[in-house]
Amino acid sequence: GNSVTQMEGPVTLSEEAFLTINCTYTATGYPSLFWYVQYPGEGLQLLLKATKADDKGSNKGFEATYRKETTSFHLEKGSVQVSDSAVYFCALREEDSWGKFQFGAGTQVVVTP
Amino acid sequence: GAVVSQHPSRVICKSGTSVKIECRSLDFQATTMFWYRQFPKQSLMLMATSNEGSKATYEQGVEKDKFLINHASLTLSTLTVTSAHPEDSSFYICSARDRLGSTDTQYFGPGTRLTVL
Repeated sequence: GNSVTQMEGPVTLSEEAFLTINCTYTATGYPSLFWYVQYPGEGLQLLLKATKADDKGSNKGFEATYRKETTSFHLEKGSVQVSDSAVYFCALREEDSWGKFQFGAGTQVVVTP
Repeated sequence: GAVVSQHPSRVICKSGTSVKIECRSLDFQATTMFWYRQFPKQSLMLMATSNEGSKATYEQGVEKDKFLINHASLTLSTLTVTSAHPEDSSFYICSARDRLGSTDTQYFGPGTRLTVL
């Protein structure tokens, strides 16, 4: 079956540091890939997405590239802020699942001043 | 952006009782809603897909008689945990698909923390 694996947290880093959260997946077919972010006390919010191989999703300084050859979708940000502290979820949606998602376990990121 | 609310945000109940959790789309119509369960430090596990006006589709291993789902309107879906037991304690999250959006346009609620004593 399909699965998503992402690095365990918490990831603690200083403001302006470089952030990478690794995400790999297994899937049949050609899934779409997503990163969701959950701020404390709030629901999951779509951060970025990519629908086919080599697509790059970007938003709010975050980027992730759909790498079919390595089945990966790593999230990166060049300079984090304290406000980026949250839990980040990598997810996939199969091409024919009309909305069903498979999520990773989530990675907590803590950014200190 | 679109908002999905859940009520209650947290609930504590005694073993054997039933608990109802509501999921509402506040500013859009949702033909499809999804219910997830999340254990500590684990991923969201899809429990069921709920379509307005029809029976929910449950994922393998999810007891449909225990987790009753009703999607009576385009803005409301409810999850009822019947005869709750301590092992049902978890974080329940719903998401709603905007009927005017693509299949990727899903909005998540803030979740409901259920504790069964």
